[in-house]
Amino acid sequence: GAVVSQHPSRVICKSGTSVKIECRSLDFQATTMFWYRQFPKQSLMLMATSNEGSKATYEQGVEKDKFLINHASLTLSTLTVTSAHPEDSSFYICSTWGNTEAFFGQGTRLTVV
Amino acid sequence: AQSVSQHNHHVILSEAASLELGCNYSYGGTVNLFWYVQYPGQHLQLLLKYFSGDPLVKGIKGFEAEFIKSKFSFNLRKPSVQWSDTAEYFCAVNAFFQKLVFGTGTRLLVSP
Repeated sequence: GAVVSQHPSRVICKSGTSVKIECRSLDFQATTMFWYRQFPKQSLMLMATSNEGSKATYEQGVEKDKFLINHASLTLSTLTVTSAHPEDSSFYICSTWGNTEAFFGQGTRLTVV
Repeated sequence: AQSVSQHNHHVILSEAASLELGCNYSYGGTVNLFWYVQYPGQHLQLLLKYFSGDPLVKGIKGFEAEFIKSKFSFNLRKPSVQWSDTAEYFCAVNAFFQKLVFGTGTRLLVSP
């Protein structure tokens, strides 16, 4: 079964609203969670790295005030897209490390209308 | 900075044809290399990985990849593809337990 559970899988929201994406690690503790974004026909690009109990580290060009990441527990990390705009429409994926491989959530397809 | 190049963006094959997907990387240190597959509507799944040792790595579903250090390559191969191999394939590289850097992906379509 899935090691990382991500919800929702799809969401459509209006411009200006906020959307929260949850990522839960199942049966193990995820100290670190990586958040990626995938635009159509492009690769997965790392947005930020979250560590339990501390502030997330954002990649260059990613607005931390727009993409709020919370990693308050060892089993839950959330990404909130605030004041969403159509250009934020994308596929968002969370990931964490097991012993020797990375595990990925199912992904969330966000469409901002 | 780390980067990964996948040269084939779209590949179309007939069933039973052989497959080779190219992957080249640039990274200044010891690399860990991965191939992931994403079937339509599903998670990314690990096909195979290379950390050290035998440069010819065998993965799931009959896939294998060869690490050629001198060429900075980690090409994915399968001798005979099936319709069910239709998916998108991503090569990725990282330093251990750090962020994965992905290639742009190769969309494979296998016609029956």
